[in-house]
Amino acid sequence: TQLLEQSPQFLSIQEGENLTVYCNSSSVFSSLQWYRQEPGEGPVLLVTVVTGGEVKKLKRLTFQFGDARKDSSLHITAAQPGDTGLYLCAGARAAGNKLTFGGGTRVLVKP
Amino acid sequence: EPEVTQTPSHQVTQMGQEVILRCVPISNHLYFYWYRQILGQKVEFLVSFYNNEISEKSEIFDDQFSVERPDGSNFTLKIRSTKLEDSAMYFCASPVPTGGDDEQFFGPGTRLTVL
Repeated sequence: TQLLEQSPQFLSIQEGENLTVYCNSSSVFSSLQWYRQEPGEGPVLLVTVVTGGEVKKLKRLTFQFGDARKDSSLHITAAQPGDTGLYLCAGARAAGNKLTFGGGTRVLVKP
Repeated sequence: EPEVTQTPSHQVTQMGQEVILRCVPISNHLYFYWYRQILGQKVEFLVSFYNNEISEKSEIFDDQFSVERPDGSNFTLKIRSTKLEDSAMYFCASPVPTGGDDEQFFGPGTRLTVL
């Protein structure tokens, strides 16, 4: 059974601070995706990483895929209250396969 | 950006009743997925549907569940006899294969409440 563990489960920071969310597994994934989910809504895709060691940037968000394709991180620089939300990582074993989700990290950015 | 739509947004039903959840996935794709999320818990895979057949299903997807593609655009999830523990958000997802990447786009979900 593939498992994705996210840490921390909850993160509360002040506006302007940096934060990092981790997503770890003992399994290798073909691709790993990061989503953001608002209460009562579906997950919204932020980025997909597919190559070991890959780094992708989306404005103040930096996503990294581990060299062994077992783990990933999301780093937010100078967080803003608009970054508040639930961040989910999800991995796929191969193209077209189901996604296995982590438990999520709830981020609260205080103004 | 591609969009997946789902109806209804909220369904309330009595235990033992049948429900049908509907999804219109992104067109021209072979793979479709259903996931569910019980309140406060992880998003869980239910079933994948490829080329009009179930390609994979989870332990959750027992005989009470079925999926169909009744026409070229709609994709349905049926629960024959709902149980209290079926209360959850149900999401349909549709992938966009792009050069080896698979990005799954999720619908807004149907909130199912079983009383």
